[in-house]
Amino acid sequence: DIVMTQSPLSLAVTPGEPASISCRSSQSLLHSNGYNYLDWYLQKPGQSPQFLIYLGSNRASGVPDRFSGSGSGTDFTLKISRVEAGDVGIYYCMQTLQPPLTFGGGTKVEIK
Amino acid sequence: QVQVVESGGGVVQPGRSLRLSCAASGFTFRTYGIHWVRQAPGKGLEWVALISYDGSNKYYGDSVKGRFTISRDNSKNKVYLQMNSLRPEDTAVYYCAKTKIWFGELLHSLDVWGKGTTVTVST
Repeated sequence: DIVMTQSPLSLAVTPGEPASISCRSSQSLLHSNGYNYLDWYLQKPGQSPQFLIYLGSNRASGVPDRFSGSGSGTDFTLKISRVEAGDVGIYYCMQTLQPPLTFGGGTKVEIK
Repeated sequence: QVQVVESGGGVVQPGRSLRLSCAASGFTFRTYGIHWVRQAPGKGLEWVALISYDGSNKYYGDSVKGRFTISRDNSKNKVYLQMNSLRPEDTAVYYCAKTKIWFGELLHSLDVWGKGTTVTVST
């Protein structure tokens, strides 16, 4: 199984400042078609998870362009250019390359 | 609008069975795969199972393989998760989510999630 590792476990960000979350996979998520099968999800407090990023860098419908995904192979990053109060929650990366699909342990983002 | 709604959760004793349902609406159900994902109290997300759009392919997480069975009825726009030999560690909120189609490719991404149904396994 592919193991997903996120860092940091948590971070506190001043509104308007950037934030960055790292995700590493135990094997490459780069498919022969050139796409990385890595998603990002956000679970806001008390809510179901919501879809943010797919195939490493594609924003889901309705996701602000403050959110961006990058990386390839085994190293990926989610960046929030200017954190807002509504961005608090737990961010999860997930590999969708091969079953069993696996999530990272999550990164909790809080506002300072 | 596009939505999936879970039901069937409850309190059950260890070793017993329970069947969860996921009802879909607002999209062409028969063309999308459906996932089950769970979240134990205070813990992260754990992927449980995936069924392809036509039911021909089914995949399971290691912790539920051999005990849980995913199925679907495209005439009713529903997916089911039959959970047997339940254990206390199966206690969680169970979410269903639909997959995504991107330029004709069937991705495993989970683009629409339900609100979840709670399963508690306890004596």
